[in-house]
Amino acid sequence: DTGVSQNPRHKITKRGQNVTFRCDPISEHNRLYWYRQTLGQGPEFLTYFQNEAQLEKSRLLSDRFSAERPKGSFSTLEIQRTEQGDSAMYLCASSKTGVDTEAFFGQGTRLTVV
Amino acid sequence: TQLLEQSPQFLSIQEGENLTVYCNSSSVFSSLQWYRQEPGEGPVLLVTVVTGGEVKKLKRLTFQFGDARKDSSLHITAAQPGDTGLYLCAGANGGNTPLVFGKGTRLSVIA
Repeated sequence: DTGVSQNPRHKITKRGQNVTFRCDPISEHNRLYWYRQTLGQGPEFLTYFQNEAQLEKSRLLSDRFSAERPKGSFSTLEIQRTEQGDSAMYLCASSKTGVDTEAFFGQGTRLTVV
Repeated sequence: TQLLEQSPQFLSIQEGENLTVYCNSSSVFSSLQWYRQEPGEGPVLLVTVVTGGEVKKLKRLTFQFGDARKDSSLHITAAQPGDTGLYLCAGANGGNTPLVFGKGTRLSVIA
């Protein structure tokens, strides 16, 4: 396994368009996390899954954002009606279940809304 | 809300110098992880500290977890240009909560 994989690496879209990102976690990891990172900031938590169940969503996640992990493997993050403020790096991480397990990140998807 | 504050925010040093960056919180964490992130890439895990007072070494990097598990430090000896990057600390609180990140320390090591 080569680690957490995110696609696409870069996405430029016009304001108002919908975009979807994909994350493939490390195969034996049953937890998957989405974070957003803007310039000069640390990653901010958006949501996470244990297997196919979405266990927690941040207040940062507006109604325009939706995430799924239909079979407990890969996950998608969709942003509808994108706004310029959505421009950021979207990071996916995965981990095993358990206390103090380590999270491993993908390379991220850089979204630019013009 | 648990917050992690990292200091300094920016650090620019000459090759060969030593440095320490700090990660502080008023909250107790069950573990703390340190990551390094390069521009345009995702964070890469460096180390996890779990026990209060724990010290871990990774070549020229020394990580310490505070006795009360509220703070941590990262010390780099004889910094090299390859150490340049954004250093992030992240706290975990048991197995059912996501990591909380600090804003990071941006380190620049000049040759």
